[in-house]
Amino acid sequence: GDSVTQMEGPVTLSEEAFLTINCTYTATGYPSLFWYVQYPGEGLQLLLKATKADDKGSNKGFEATYRKETTSFHLEKGSVQVSDSAVYFCALRNYGGSQGNLIFGKGTKLSVKP
Amino acid sequence: DTEVTQTPKHLVMGMTNKKSLKCEQHMGHRAMYWYKQKAKKPPELMFVYSYEKLSINESVPSRFSPECPNSSLLNLHLHALQPEDSALYLCASSHRDFYLVEQYFGPGTRLTVT
Repeated sequence: GDSVTQMEGPVTLSEEAFLTINCTYTATGYPSLFWYVQYPGEGLQLLLKATKADDKGSNKGFEATYRKETTSFHLEKGSVQVSDSAVYFCALRNYGGSQGNLIFGKGTKLSVKP
Repeated sequence: DTEVTQTPKHLVMGMTNKKSLKCEQHMGHRAMYWYKQKAKKPPELMFVYSYEKLSINESVPSRFSPECPNSSLLNLHLHALQPEDSALYLCASSHRDFYLVEQYFGPGTRLTVT
């Protein structure tokens, strides 16, 4: 079945450091890919999405490119801030697969120190 | 405006109580979802409503009873819950229930069953 694998956390960075959170997926066909962020005590917020190969999603300085050849959707940000501290979830949704449900990775906790 | 609201924010209930969670969106979305999220885990899908009809029930125990009175409102009725049902309950909505379309999440209701 379809699945998403994220890098294990927690990830601890200093402010202004470069961030990469790895995400790879297993799915048939061409799923849609998403990154969601969850701040402490809150619900999930959509960060960015991509719906076809080579699409680049971007928002608030975060970027991720849909790489069909490597089945990856890594999240990057050039300069993180303390306010970026949160849990980041990579997710996919596939036509017909898993009844089209959102399938989440386990989440990666990011802590940014001043 | 991409806002999904949920009430109450926190709920403590005994195992013999009956309570309801409420979710509302005014974005004209025709698909609405209930998720359950345990601590340090990704959300798990419980129910999907599409055009006010229940389309997916992920084998959820009958002590959870969803209701979609209209296209803007989604309820989750709770009865005879167990302590292991304590979790963050998230509502989400999307334009329609389709794999290319992103879901928007509410802030959640944190439920404690005593």
